[in-house]
Amino acid sequence: DAGVTQSPTHLIKTRGQHVTLRCSPISGHKSVSWYQQVLGQGPQFIFQYYEKEERGRGNFPDRFSARQFPNYSSELNVNALLLGDSALYLCASSTRGGDGYTFGSGTRLTVV
Amino acid sequence: GESVGLHLPTLSVQEGDNSIINCAYSNSASDYFIWYKQESGKGPQFIIDIRSNMDKRQGQRVTVLLNKTVKHLSLQIAATQPGDSAVYFCAEMQAGANNLFFGTGTRLTVIP
Repeated sequence: DAGVTQSPTHLIKTRGQHVTLRCSPISGHKSVSWYQQVLGQGPQFIFQYYEKEERGRGNFPDRFSARQFPNYSSELNVNALLLGDSALYLCASSTRGGDGYTFGSGTRLTVV
Repeated sequence: GESVGLHLPTLSVQEGDNSIINCAYSNSASDYFIWYKQESGKGPQFIIDIRSNMDKRQGQRVTVLLNKTVKHLSLQIAATQPGDSAVYFCAEMQAGANNLFFGTGTRLTVIP
């Protein structure tokens, strides 16, 4: 069975641009969470979605938004990119969101 | 606020020796703890978890110990192998919450 898949794996954007990152959860998982991992640090929680509804939001500005689709896949959108948004963006899926998280390999975003 | 931290940022061990990675947490409301292994270019990989009603849990070559009195968590890896070289994170989840708080991580290097 496929694990959590994320796309793209790498991308480079210019300051001020917009980016969309995509995540497909493990089959049967209805919850998707997004984390930001800055180099040398642990992942930080951005959003959690369950059954297409936002269930939690971390301490990130409104430039960050996300949504979950009927097939439980998810998108993370970041507007007006800043240099500090450069990070590895991780998606994790679970059955209900309480535990049993499985992470994808992430999308490496570089803002120049 | 909540914080999950590690005592040692780096740890080097000889192949075959046992490794102990420590973690301190500050939120007494946390009731679920997870250890993750992250290799370069990959997302965090689940190793072992423990709930607050337990003091110890064992897996294959790994043991997690939880001391709620001093809010301390440790990961013991028996007979450490070169493939164990990675960054290890502890993460905590509060009761009723759906998101994880990660520490900074410890880089484990196994010397052949």
